[in-house]
Amino acid sequence: SYELTQPPSVSVSPGQTARITCSGDALPKQYAYWYQQKPGQAPVLVIYKDSERPSGIPERFSGSSSGTTVTLTISGVQAEDEADYYCQSADSSGTPEFGGGTKLTVL
Amino acid sequence: EVQLVESGGGLVQPGGSLRLSCAASGFTFSSYWMSWVRQAPGKGLEWVANIKQDGSEKYYVDSVKGRFTISRDNAKNSLYLQMNSLRAEDTAVYYCARLVVPAATLYFDYWGQGTLVTVSS
Repeated sequence: SYELTQPPSVSVSPGQTARITCSGDALPKQYAYWYQQKPGQAPVLVIYKDSERPSGIPERFSGSSSGTTVTLTISGVQAEDEADYYCQSADSSGTPEFGGGTKLTVL
Repeated sequence: EVQLVESGGGLVQPGGSLRLSCAASGFTFSSYWMSWVRQAPGKGLEWVANIKQDGSEKYYVDSVKGRFTISRDNAKNSLYLQMNSLRAEDTAVYYCARLVVPAATLYFDYWGQGTLVTVSS
């Protein structure tokens, strides 16, 4: 397996842009996925294959990839976006791996 | 609407056993890989096990190999996790998740609400 590294926390004011990064050596070769988890709730997929958005996910959520880092961007952050965010990928053998999670605080 | 509903969690002593179940509905269960993912209290997500559509392939995280067994019953649209020789470090919310496996990648597109397993004397 390999590690995916996320910052423990990110803070942003309402209406601003939040960027959450995820770094890993395999990311140039493997897709990344992002999940949102609110307290007491199950994770929800918000970005798949680096930058695709599932149906029902607001357009303010976007993803990008550059080298060994992928980024989840939330434009025009709303109070309801406060949550933990996890990146996920897979190693060369197909074993899923999660990042440690980032707590997004909306000030 | 895809629904995944876990059950079977509870308090168990170290060394004990527990069987988790996940009832699936709203999709063709037999067409998908399925997974168990856990989350220890206050911690992040950890993948536990995967099972192929027909049950012919199963994969586990190293920490549960030889102790946990994933299985499924496609006739009952159900996924299971048999957990033996439980340890304190297995304490977590266990989520059932649908696994999507396109070429050379995989991800979890739907999750259940989870069931809490507490291993303590």
